Amino acid sequence: AQSVSQHNHHVILSEAASLELGCNYSYGGTVNLFWYVQYPGQHLQLLLKYFSGDPLVKGIKGFEAEFIKSKFSFNLRKPSVQWSDTAEYFCAVNPSLYGGSQGNLIFGKGTKLSVKP
Amino acid sequence: NAGVMQNPRHLVRRRGQEARLRCSPMKGHSHVYWYRQLPEEGLKFMVYLQKENIIDESGMPKERFSAEFPKEGPSILRIQQVVRGDSAAYFCASSPLDRGSYGYTFGSGTRLTVV
Repeated sequence: AQSVSQHNHHVILSEAASLELGCNYSYGGTVNLFWYVQYPGQHLQLLLKYFSGDPLVKGIKGFEAEFIKSKFSFNLRKPSVQWSDTAEYFCAVNPSLYGGSQGNLIFGKGTKLSVKP
Repeated sequence: NAGVMQNPRHLVRRRGQEARLRCSPMKGHSHVYWYRQLPEEGLKFMVYLQKENIIDESGMPKERFSAEFPKEGPSILRIQQVVRGDSAAYFCASSPLDRGSYGYTFGSGTRLTVV
């Protein structure tokens, strides 16, 4: 069965520190990859997505992620975090078929990020 | 252009009652997905619907849960005879095409509490 693993349950950083959140998936075929952010009390918002092409994907708010196919990984990075980045971050995948996705997303359990001012 | 609208935002039900959660997709989106988020867990897929059709309900519990997306009106997730374990946040997402290639837009969720 397909699954998504996010290694860190809770990450605490000071402002201006660099961030890297791990995400690994298990699926042998081609996948589409997503990172979503959920600010306290709000809905999920798409940070970035990877379907094909350049494995280094740039998203909103200075976030980026790198798809490493050989490692089945799609880690999220940000060079310098801000207090406003405090939120929960979810990695998600779904199988790709002919360049499109196949319906539902499989989510990791999420990583809570707390940024101290 | 309104996003995905879910209501109510918060719902409290006593054990044994029915819960009805509503989701209106974004304008132009004809595909709806329901997810459940349990405490300390990621989102789990429940069901995928198009207008008047259930496409994939592989994530739905076999009993007490049902979903519909009628020709007119919002999608409804219905939970009969709720139990404490149904307490969770239920999120709806919509997409414009059948494969979600353009991404999914999520609603703000309905937080169900069963007392």
